[in-house]
Amino acid sequence: DTEVTQTPKHLVMGMTNKKSLKCEQHMGHRAMYWYKQKAKKPPELMFVYSYEKLSINESVPSRFSPECPNSSLLNLHLHALQPEDSALYLCASKDLGTGIKHEQFFGPGTRLTVL
Amino acid sequence: KQEVTQIPAALSVPEGENLVLNCSFTDSAIYNLQWFRQDPGKGLTSLLLIQSSQREQTSGRLNASLDKSSGRSTLYIAASQPGDSATYLCAVLENQGGKLIFGQGTELSVKP
Repeated sequence: DTEVTQTPKHLVMGMTNKKSLKCEQHMGHRAMYWYKQKAKKPPELMFVYSYEKLSINESVPSRFSPECPNSSLLNLHLHALQPEDSALYLCASKDLGTGIKHEQFFGPGTRLTVL
Repeated sequence: KQEVTQIPAALSVPEGENLVLNCSFTDSAIYNLQWFRQDPGKGLTSLLLIQSSQREQTSGRLNASLDKSSGRSTLYIAASQPGDSATYLCAVLENQGGKLIFGQGTELSVKP
């Protein structure tokens, strides 16, 4: 099973709302990622969790707050977003360790619209 | 700083043609290179991954090659089909703990 799942598929929120995006994988991967993707652009890395600890934050505004409750789950909490934050948010995961491929697997994404 | 470039940005071919998508990177010190496919509004699907020690990988009608010394990779698609229409992205991983560096993608359209 090489599946990463994300919920919800679509989300519309106002600038004063608080919402969360969820990501789950059951491949035993110990690295999980959040990316933001705008139309016709490649994904931009936001956060990386390695062994459930935040290892990379690409200078993302504090209105985005990641959380990794356990090795299978990754959340992205959203608060006071701006219309320019509207994008496709992608979750990904990969295995960690030596002697492995380090192949990254992506979820289907959450299409976020901020009004 | 590693930069990844994909040429062309868009490509339109008739069904049945064999085609090549190009990816170049500026720093040859990579751990692996991954090719992805993305359908509009969807996530990325991993197509092929080539380790830095490998020269090519094959899956069905797809063949990816890697020439680290020249900083190039190609994705060869044989006997293209309309269902191959999508955006193809290449990405390099510089080290195990690093992040993927993406190219801008090639948008492929295969006409029936």
